Amino acid sequence: DVKVTQSSRYLVKRTGEKVFLECVQDMDHENMFWYRQDPGLGLRLIYFSYDVKMKEKGDIPEGYSVSREKKERFSLILESASTNQTSMYLCASGSSGHHRPYEQYFGPGTRLTVT
Amino acid sequence: DAKTTQPPSMDCAEGRAANLPCNHSTISGNEYVYWYRQIHSQGPQYIIHGLKNNETNEMASLIITEDRKSSTLILPHATLRDTAVYYCTVLGTSYGKLTFGQGTILTVHP
Repeated sequence: DVKVTQSSRYLVKRTGEKVFLECVQDMDHENMFWYRQDPGLGLRLIYFSYDVKMKEKGDIPEGYSVSREKKERFSLILESASTNQTSMYLCASGSSGHHRPYEQYFGPGTRLTVT
Repeated sequence: DAKTTQPPSMDCAEGRAANLPCNHSTISGNEYVYWYRQIHSQGPQYIIHGLKNNETNEMASLIITEDRKSSTLILPHATLRDTAVYYCTVLGTSYGKLTFGQGTILTVHP
């Protein structure tokens, strides 16, 4: 079974702190994603990566950065946490496909609260 | 990507089939229908996908109408653990960015 793990299930940080969210997958997937999920707003893509050291902005990259130094690991960084970044953060991974999009496998999520 | 429309909630008795509909009338010829579900406080879980033909796996069946404007996810013998929010989404041949609408809250009753 595909396993995607995230470093924390719950996290509480103060405004202005630098926050690191780690994600690791064990299926040798090329693609990795960071989403946030908020009530009424659904799932929104922050960043994704299709290869080591490669990254692409998603729909809401402002206030975030990412790092992918190894294929299995994709980190999300909140440079200076703000209260509007309180959310559920979801990491996902998936294979690449030339003919169709591939299913994504999600981690359990990190519920981040910024006070 | 095409938009989808799902009923906000549905109920099902344990052991019975749960049939969850989805409308995607603006779907393009190369776009796939994907279904995910999300159990409370967990990450979304992939269920099944299809292009034109009906599909079945160990979790569910997917029935796509001939004009591809709608589909139905079938859980053949629903259990209490199937209580979740079910999302229908449409994806083209891109990197596969997922977007979920509000989904259908399925409640399975004893």
